[in-house]
Amino acid sequence: GAVVSQHPSRVICKSGTSVKIECRSLDFQATTMFWYRQFPKQSLMLMATSNEGSKATYEQGVEKDKFLINHASLTLSTLTVTSAHPEDSSFYICSARGASETQYFGPGTRLLVL
Amino acid sequence: QKEVEQDPGPLSVPEGAIVSLNCTYSNSAFQYFMWYRQYSRKGPELLMYTYSSGNKEDGRFTAQVDKSSKYISLFIRDSQPSDSATYLCAMKVGDTGNQFYFGTGTSLTVIP
Repeated sequence: GAVVSQHPSRVICKSGTSVKIECRSLDFQATTMFWYRQFPKQSLMLMATSNEGSKATYEQGVEKDKFLINHASLTLSTLTVTSAHPEDSSFYICSARGASETQYFGPGTRLLVL
Repeated sequence: QKEVEQDPGPLSVPEGAIVSLNCTYSNSAFQYFMWYRQYSRKGPELLMYTYSSGNKEDGRFTAQVDKSSKYISLFIRDSQPSDSATYLCAMKVGDTGNQFYFGTGTSLTVIP
């Protein structure tokens, strides 16, 4: 149980375009979802926390207008990177929390902005 | 001082060795403790999840929590090359809120 999927697993886009990443909890209802960013050989960096039906809470230094998060249902959250630039290239990972006091992570999405 | 401290390694051991991975923390209110394994270019995978103090065993993995010392450990017995990954500890205060605290991860290589 406790499977979280992400789509797409890899995306390459041109600078200036927007990219949407989906995160789904497949076998449980996720009251809270988290979005992380990870650079090579570095630790997870929390970007934002979202509760279903509420606005996301962004960490300090994360631009809410650039990284749009929507958590419209108990099984789906989306992260949209708007007007992506090469410096946005990174590994984006979502996680979901259900009833337990732990998080289950998705497999990650590798974004490359040319 | 960070909430959670974890030695980044890298740690390199021969196949079959017992591996000990550790995290220390400063917040005595932490009650939930997790260990994740992350392979390169993959999302972290939950390995062990414990509540409060004590030991928990799952196959070759044993998680230990010592709340009096604010110290948690993950032991891997009979380590295999497939155990080569980064191991992250994580912790959380009681039943309220969504704030999780992660260690920076320890990179482990098991040499065949």
